[in-house]
Amino acid sequence: QKEVEQNSGPLSVPEGAIASLNCTYSDRGSQSFFWYRQYSGKSPELIMFIYSNGDKEDGRFTAQLNKASQYVSLLIRDSQPSDSATYLCAVSPGANNLFFGTGTRLTVIP
Amino acid sequence: EAQVTQNPRYLITVTGKKLTVTCSQNMNHEYMSWYRQDPGLGLRQIYYSMNVEVTDKGDVPEGYKVSRKEKRNFPLILESPSPNQTSLYFCASTGGELDTQYFGPGTRLTVL
Repeated sequence: QKEVEQNSGPLSVPEGAIASLNCTYSDRGSQSFFWYRQYSGKSPELIMFIYSNGDKEDGRFTAQLNKASQYVSLLIRDSQPSDSATYLCAVSPGANNLFFGTGTRLTVIP
Repeated sequence: EAQVTQNPRYLITVTGKKLTVTCSQNMNHEYMSWYRQDPGLGLRQIYYSMNVEVTDKGDVPEGYKVSRKEKRNFPLILESPSPNQTSLYFCASTGGELDTQYFGPGTRLTVL
């Protein structure tokens, strides 16, 4: 069983702060790592992906990957109330397969 | 517009009454999959298909069937639904340069 672990939260941050979301995975052969955002009752929406160790930035979002520690994180800078959602970490060993964590619920307080 | 569609979006049914949830994608993707999402359990894969006439079990296939007769369609069939299949179901299609997974809008199923 390939496991992807996330802190379920809820994580609350004030508007304008940095939100830090963490994810660990068990399969060392994992190749691709994704962060999805899911609003209540809606489908997951891809916001970031990362394949190589290090940081990847896209606007207010930064994904960080450390394969040696089997750890991937998502930083959201200048958090906005519209960022309030559940964030799903997904890990792929390849061949189109994806394994999801249970998600971290983020609340940004105005 | 690239999209994955599912129907119906909401369904209330009774135990044992066969139902089908349809899924269609317009991106010419080969890989499609079905997930169910339950509180505290996250997204769990039910079945996936790597191409027409090629399907395989995911993590929680019991009580479900699928078929893939055409590339664009991947219906989920519950031959004899039971209350423990009450859940939120998502169809997904994977493809493109980055193997990105695109999700349908979801189907909320209640089995009484």
